[in-house]
Amino acid sequence: DVQMTQSPSSLSASVGDRVTFTCRASQNIATSLHWYQQKPGGAPRLLIFSASSLQSGVSSRFTATGSGTDFTLTIASLQPEDFGTYYCQQSQSGVTFGQGTRLDIK
Amino acid sequence: EVRLVQSATEVRKPGESLRISCQTSGYTFDYYWIGWVRQLPGKGLEWVGIVYPGDSDTRYSPPFQGRVTISADRSANTAYLHWDTLNPSDSGIYYCARHLVGPHRDAFYMDVWGKGTPVTVSS
Repeated sequence: DVQMTQSPSSLSASVGDRVTFTCRASQNIATSLHWYQQKPGGAPRLLIFSASSLQSGVSSRFTATGSGTDFTLTIASLQPEDFGTYYCQQSQSGVTFGQGTRLDIK
Repeated sequence: EVRLVQSATEVRKPGESLRISCQTSGYTFDYYWIGWVRQLPGKGLEWVGIVYPGDSDTRYSPPFQGRVTISADRSANTAYLHWDTLNPSDSGIYYCARHLVGPHRDAFYMDVWGKGTPVTVSS
């Protein structure tokens, strides 16, 4: 099984900050890595697919890079509506999710 | 607009059977994989499995293989998740999600999600 490890497990940032999330795979997953945002009580929402492609309708302040085992998701200028938990998901071998990073707004 | 409408909250006893549903609209049901993701209270996401309505092909995550059955009714544009014998460990919120395929075979990701069906199994 491919294990996905996200860091940090939680973080707190202020509106306007640049925020970066990290996701590491236990083996090479090429660019089969996708990012989701989930708000409390809501369903996940796709932000980025295939490591760096922005999903339609998602703000361009979200960008992502990476390949192989190390990936990052960056919010260029944090907005109040960006709070929630962010998950990475790999699909190179089966489908597995990271444990999530919870983002709180200061 | 693509929509996935899930069935309501379920409460069952251990040993009972259950089927939950996900009715879709706004796209050609036959041509997209659709499946299920579980979330335990306060926890992360677990992929359960998927079905391709066009030919009923299925994929299951190993922890769920043999414990659940995923199916699709093409005439109703609806996907289902079924348990023959529920266990308290089956409790959780089950999301249905439309799956797209990335650059290589079975490189699935989920672009549209339902609101979730909470399932509680308790005596």
